[in-house]
Amino acid sequence: KNEVEQSPQNLTAQEGEFITINCSYSVGISALHWLQQHPGGGIVSLFMLSSGKKKHGRLIATINIQEKHSSLHITASHPRDSAVYICAVRTSGSRLTFGEGTQLTVNP
Amino acid sequence: NAGVMQNPRHLVRRRGQEARLRCSPMKGHSHVYWYRQLPEEGLKFMVYLQKENIIDESGMPKERFSAEFPKEGPSILRIQQVVRGDSAAYFCASSGRGSMNTEAFFGQGTRLTVV
Repeated sequence: KNEVEQSPQNLTAQEGEFITINCSYSVGISALHWLQQHPGGGIVSLFMLSSGKKKHGRLIATINIQEKHSSLHITASHPRDSAVYICAVRTSGSRLTFGEGTQLTVNP
Repeated sequence: NAGVMQNPRHLVRRRGQEARLRCSPMKGHSHVYWYRQLPEEGLKFMVYLQKENIIDESGMPKERFSAEFPKEGPSILRIQQVVRGDSAAYFCASSGRGSMNTEAFFGQGTRLTVV
């Protein structure tokens, strides 16, 4: 079992829909990152969380340390949000451990 | 500030050749991390370097792979005698402190294809 599990693996939505991507982890962490990767492109850091909730534009990220769970929400989704969203946790030392990613497709 | 710069963006090598991947961290950052993304797989940690030091190389394959981050110049990930299984996207990230509890700044990646 992976230390970081994301769901769903694939998600298709219509433009304007509210989207939730989930991340569960099985180890103690000091921080959790949400990343975005476009096809053939680089990786962009969206959020870094150690507790609570953060908001940036239409994106909201929450984390529940006791339940070892985080969610990434996208409000009023748009086709340009189509990308792979990756959850990553910092466990020990300096390394990040990544989930397998969620492929999001938003249709117009 | 141009961010984390990786070059080349695409690299094609024949089996048995050497591949050199370069990463220039963000200005003011002295910590570099290399990650590998195999086709259809998630990202995996390879190595963490600080200027002139390897801090954690627990994710590096034991043979053919090496990394350095000299006092001057970019960090280099070197793969000797490449094989088809080395084909992957290699990403570099940098931080200003020795902790990924800071924001993670990633480069665009180098896509290595071994033919």
